[in-house]
Amino acid sequence: GNSVTQMEGPVTLSEEAFLTINCTYTATGYPSLFWYVQYPGEGLQLLLKATKADDKGSNKGFEATYRKETTSFHLEKGSVQVSDSAVYFCALSASGNTPLVFGKGTRLSVIA
Amino acid sequence: GAVVSQHPSWVICKSGTSVKIECRSLDFQATTMFWYRQFPKQSLMLMATSNEGSKATYEQGVEKDKFLINHASLTLSTLTVTSAHPEDSSFYICSAQNRLAGDGEQFFGPGTRLTVL
Repeated sequence: GNSVTQMEGPVTLSEEAFLTINCTYTATGYPSLFWYVQYPGEGLQLLLKATKADDKGSNKGFEATYRKETTSFHLEKGSVQVSDSAVYFCALSASGNTPLVFGKGTRLSVIA
Repeated sequence: GAVVSQHPSWVICKSGTSVKIECRSLDFQATTMFWYRQFPKQSLMLMATSNEGSKATYEQGVEKDKFLINHASLTLSTLTVTSAHPEDSSFYICSAQNRLAGDGEQFFGPGTRLTVL
């Protein structure tokens, strides 16, 4: 079946450090890939997405590239801020009306 | 952008009572809505998939008689926790898919924190 594996946290970084959160997936066909972010006590917000191979999603300084050859969708940011502290979820959608398949989430803490 | 609301945002109830949570898509029509449960510091657990006008599809291990889901319109789905007990205390999150979009993106509500005393 379809699955998403992302690096376990928690990840603690100093402000302005470089961030990478690894995400790999297993799926048949050509899924769409997503990164969602959850701030404390809130629901999930879409951070970025990519719907086909080699697409790069980007938003708020975060980037992720859909790599079909390595079945990966790693999240990166060049300089993190304290306000980026949250839980990040990698997810895939196999087709339009099916539930998202989520990774377990990675908690990021950025300290000043 | 697409907005999904949930009501209430938090609720405290006594054991044995029923609680209804509403999920609304405010600016788009949602053919499909999903209900999740999230325990502290854990990922989301899919409870059920709700399609407008039809019965919900429940995930294995989720009691359909306990967690009643109704999706009566393209903008509203409700989750009723019947005869709630302390072990039902959790953070419940709904999401909705835009019927016109084909990439599977889901828009999430802000969640409802349920505490059963």
